[in-house]
Amino acid sequence: SQQGEEDPQALSIQEGENATMNCSYKTSINNLQWYRQNSGRGLVHLILIRSNEREKHSGRLRVTLDTSKKSSSLLITASRAADTASYFCATEQGGKLQFGAGTQVVVTP
Amino acid sequence: NAGVTQTPKFRVLKTGQSMTLLCAQDMNHEYMYWYRQDPGMGLRLIHYSVGEGTTAKGEVPDGYNVSRLKKQNFLLGLESAAPSQTSVYFCASSKQGTVGELFFGEGSRLTVL
Repeated sequence: SQQGEEDPQALSIQEGENATMNCSYKTSINNLQWYRQNSGRGLVHLILIRSNEREKHSGRLRVTLDTSKKSSSLLITASRAADTASYFCATEQGGKLQFGAGTQVVVTP
Repeated sequence: NAGVTQTPKFRVLKTGQSMTLLCAQDMNHEYMYWYRQDPGMGLRLIHYSVGEGTTAKGEVPDGYNVSRLKKQNFLLGLESAAPSQTSVYFCASSKQGTVGELFFGEGSRLTVL
């Protein structure tokens, strides 16, 4: 069963625009992680946010976590063509990481 | 520094055949994982290991076996392949388990005819 569910399933934007995707989950978590996957490649870790944190930044990435709503968002600012990828949230619970189905982001020049 | 290496990258099997996927990591990580990725379903955990000589079942362990005889290697075996096991398999390793980041291999695409 999937713990995290991303929304939207797909997102198409132009270079320079911001991209926002959301992740909702059902039960309490210890941390939430975001990963990127380029087509045909493995997943790459982007950012980890713990349950007692509300916001984290890494370069052009901003992640928020609202444990009362059981949701997280990933914002990519000033997107580039190289940001074209699938983005997955993963929720940590009891020593296991459960991944959502992902958001496919396409950034056109 | 290779990170996490998976072999083979591609394989085609007939129903009933057996095979082993090899995962090797050179980061001295204790934790290793095998996931499968199917369209529209994200990644699902098959088996994992918290250290050399240990293995544990994940979310979808049926039809698979694993071994962690050496710290750097985690093997995933299919004893009698079925078409439902057609998937992309990812190995990952971690220093701190799931309280930290996972490092993934590039994947092994398996087709069972």
